[in-house]
Amino acid sequence: DAKTTQPPSMDCAEGRAANLPCNHSTISGNEYVYWYRQIHSQGPQYIIHGLKNNETNEMASLIITEDRKYSTLILPHATLRDTAVYYCIVRGQGAQKLVFGQGTRLTINP
Amino acid sequence: NAGVMQNPRHLVRRRGQEARLRCSPMKGHSHVYWYRQLPEEGLKFMVYLQKENIIDESGMPKERFSAEFPKEGPSILRIQQVVRGDSAAYFCASSLGQGAENIQYFGAGTRLSVL
Repeated sequence: DAKTTQPPSMDCAEGRAANLPCNHSTISGNEYVYWYRQIHSQGPQYIIHGLKNNETNEMASLIITEDRKYSTLILPHATLRDTAVYYCIVRGQGAQKLVFGQGTRLTINP
Repeated sequence: NAGVMQNPRHLVRRRGQEARLRCSPMKGHSHVYWYRQLPEEGLKFMVYLQKENIIDESGMPKERFSAEFPKEGPSILRIQQVVRGDSAAYFCASSLGQGAENIQYFGAGTRLSVL
């Protein structure tokens, strides 16, 4: 599976949109981009995933560049409860396991 | 729908004892994954099981660790003769099918402390 690169930490003001970038420049055509988050001491929580098209659900939006080398997770109106470590994971068709990197520690400030 | 259920949430063992961690997947899910998170480290894959079969155990330590997912009942991660280095959070995930398009949903984890 392709390697991902994320900034180690980010801050965002409460009520603003949080935009978390991910670099996956070696991604191949059949690999999905997944986003999970881990709020302190809890189990990882699935957020969203996509292959080529942009995706939106009740939690977030996922924007994938046309060349698929980069993606951005958008939390449209961040709250204090969105403070967590966010993981961007690339997962190939045959891959059963998720490979977690260090993620981005997002802090939402009041 | 109930999510992935893990028990116990916290487990304390003395060195040399056995630890048994249980995971009940989401309803209808027959694929189970175990991950370990050592203190201040990221999550690492341990093992992937389908009902009654171990599919991938590439992340399992070679000794003392075993996993099973019987036809009936929860998946069990068993650690024999625990050592202090086994202290970690152990997370279980389940999915409906295999393949990258199948979402893995995680439980709340079992925190193992070895005294």
